[in-house]
Amino acid sequence: DVKVTQSSRYLVKRTGEKVFLECVQDMDHENMFWYRQDPGLGLRLIYFSYDVKMKEKGDIPEGYSVSREKKERFSLILESASTNQTSMYLCASNERDVVREQYFGPGTRLTVT
Amino acid sequence: SQKIEQNSEALNIQEGKTATLTCNYTNYSPAYLQWYRQDPGRGPVFLLLIRENEKEKRKERLKVTFDTTLKQSLFHITASQPADSATYLCALVVPASGGSYIPTFGRGTSLIVHP
Repeated sequence: DVKVTQSSRYLVKRTGEKVFLECVQDMDHENMFWYRQDPGLGLRLIYFSYDVKMKEKGDIPEGYSVSREKKERFSLILESASTNQTSMYLCASNERDVVREQYFGPGTRLTVT
Repeated sequence: SQKIEQNSEALNIQEGKTATLTCNYTNYSPAYLQWYRQDPGRGPVFLLLIRENEKEKRKERLKVTFDTTLKQSLFHITASQPADSATYLCALVVPASGGSYIPTFGRGTSLIVHP
């Protein structure tokens, strides 16, 4: 069974802290994505990566960075967490070069206080 | 600017009826359109993909239509059941960097099926 896992389901951090969210997929997918989802705003793309060490900005990259050192792992970093980054964060992956469904992780609900 | 519109109001229907959800878009020329289901507190799950040259796609009780002239997709669930209650997201798929195809999601429509 294909799987995308995220390091935490719930996370509480303080303003100004550096936060790492990690995502691992076991499907050998080239593409990996980070989204945030907020009520009334839907799923918004933060960053995506189409290969190891490659990254592309999505619609809302400000305040975030990413790292992809291994094919199966994609990390989202909040350099200095702020309260407006309280959200549900979803990781996804899929194959490159063909149009395929995205496989999503269970999500991390991050609260910044 | 690019826009994907799904009904923000929840759709309430009676069990056994057909649910029809709408996805309208502007300023896109997507080659593909996807529909996903999302349950509370969980990640979306893929349901169907339809290509621009396909008018209709079916999978069990699900049917999707794609009208590139009207810039609209309709998603139907026939013989609906309370277990179909969820939020349904449409996503327009466009080419991006590195040979990738990136879906852009609508905000989703909540479907509630009453027994």
